[in-house]
Amino acid sequence: GNSVTQMEGPVTLSEEAFLTINCTYTATGYPSLFWYVQYPGEGLQLLLKATKADDKGSNKGFEATYRKETTSFHLEKGSVQVSDSAVYFCALSLNQFYFGTGTSLTVIP
Amino acid sequence: DAGVIQSPRHEVTEMGQEVTLRCKPISGHNSLFWYRQTMMRGLELLIYFNNNVPIDDSGMPEDRFSAKMPNASFSTLKIQPSEPRDSAVYFCASSPILPGPEYGYTFGSGTRLTVV
Repeated sequence: GNSVTQMEGPVTLSEEAFLTINCTYTATGYPSLFWYVQYPGEGLQLLLKATKADDKGSNKGFEATYRKETTSFHLEKGSVQVSDSAVYFCALSLNQFYFGTGTSLTVIP
Repeated sequence: DAGVIQSPRHEVTEMGQEVTLRCKPISGHNSLFWYRQTMMRGLELLIYFNNNVPIDDSGMPEDRFSAKMPNASFSTLKIQPSEPRDSAVYFCASSPILPGPEYGYTFGSGTRLTVV
């Protein structure tokens, strides 16, 4: 079947630290991959996406590369800020969306 | 565009009462999705519509839940009778086509439902 597995949280980092949130997927076809972010009290917002193997999605300093050989789409940011504190969801899209369970990130000053 | 609009933002109701959640998708989006989010179960897809027609309602937890989309600009999710275990945040999302590679969903801000 189709599914997404994210690293367990919560993750706590100091400001300006490097961030990696791991995401791997299982898919029966050729999905598009997404990262969504949910700030407290809000809905999910699309952060970045990649539609085919080796594509790199990027936005607001975040990046993720579609790795077909490792079925992964890890989220990275070189220097996190307090304002990045949120829950991050990895997702794949085939006939419908499949979301991971979310990873909570807290960035402390 | 105003985005996906949900109402109310917060709802507190007593067990046994009927609850109706509302959603206005983005104009031109022909797919609409209802999700439920809880700490225990994460994000769950309840039902989705394409061109106002329900396509998959297998995620609807039980007969107490029903959803309608009478036109392209409005959908409701109804719970009757409500129970405390229905307490959750309910999100509506829309997209311009059936979920496909190029498009993501646009989510509303959600309705936080508390059943006491």
